[in-house]
Amino acid sequence: DAGITQSPRHKVTETGTPVTLRCHQTENHRYMYWYRQDPGHGLRLIHYSYGVKDTDKGEVSDGYSVSRSKTEDFLLTLESATSSQTSVYFCAISESERTQTGYTFGSGTRLTVV
Amino acid sequence: DQQVKQNSPSLSVQEGRISILNCDYTNSMFDYFLWYKKYPAEGPTFLISISSIKDKNEDGRFTVFLNKSAKHLSLHIVPSQPGDSAVYFCAASGFRGTSGSRLTFGEGTQLTVNP
Repeated sequence: DAGITQSPRHKVTETGTPVTLRCHQTENHRYMYWYRQDPGHGLRLIHYSYGVKDTDKGEVSDGYSVSRSKTEDFLLTLESATSSQTSVYFCAISESERTQTGYTFGSGTRLTVV
Repeated sequence: DQQVKQNSPSLSVQEGRISILNCDYTNSMFDYFLWYKKYPAEGPTFLISISSIKDKNEDGRFTVFLNKSAKHLSLHIVPSQPGDSAVYFCAASGFRGTSGSRLTFGEGTQLTVNP
């Protein structure tokens, strides 16, 4: 399967603390994405990257920032975690902007903010 | 606003019967549609896709139908198997180079296939 790894797989953190989630790929794909999955909302795009140091906001970007200093790593930071950011976070990669098979997803990070 | 909607949160069918999962979209700029399957504790995996120039695409037991005038697509699974039990997400994409080229997902439908 595609080489995409998310870490950590699970995390519990306190309200107000910063949290960083990591996505690492070994496919050398240009495009990387962060989604969150919530009941009743499906998957919603937080941020995406179209190259090293090139990032842009998705539909639910408030409270999140991203960085991509290397092709293989895409970091998602919750600047000050809130309970509303309790969710499952998925990273995805794609070789081009549009492909017939869409994106390849990681296994997810379950984040709980208490 | 939800541009891709899956109005049925859950669906239960008997093994061997047909499963039909539905998806509606509102953005007329969408021209490519995909279905993903998700098992618990795993990421979504690609299942099947269809371009707006087609109205049907088939891959083994899975067939996706697209009705552009109604802005509606459906996924048919025949025959359904217990291993098909999963959450199914519909996704849509617009033209390359636009903000809509990123995948927009529906809410998902939990399919349960009973032995």
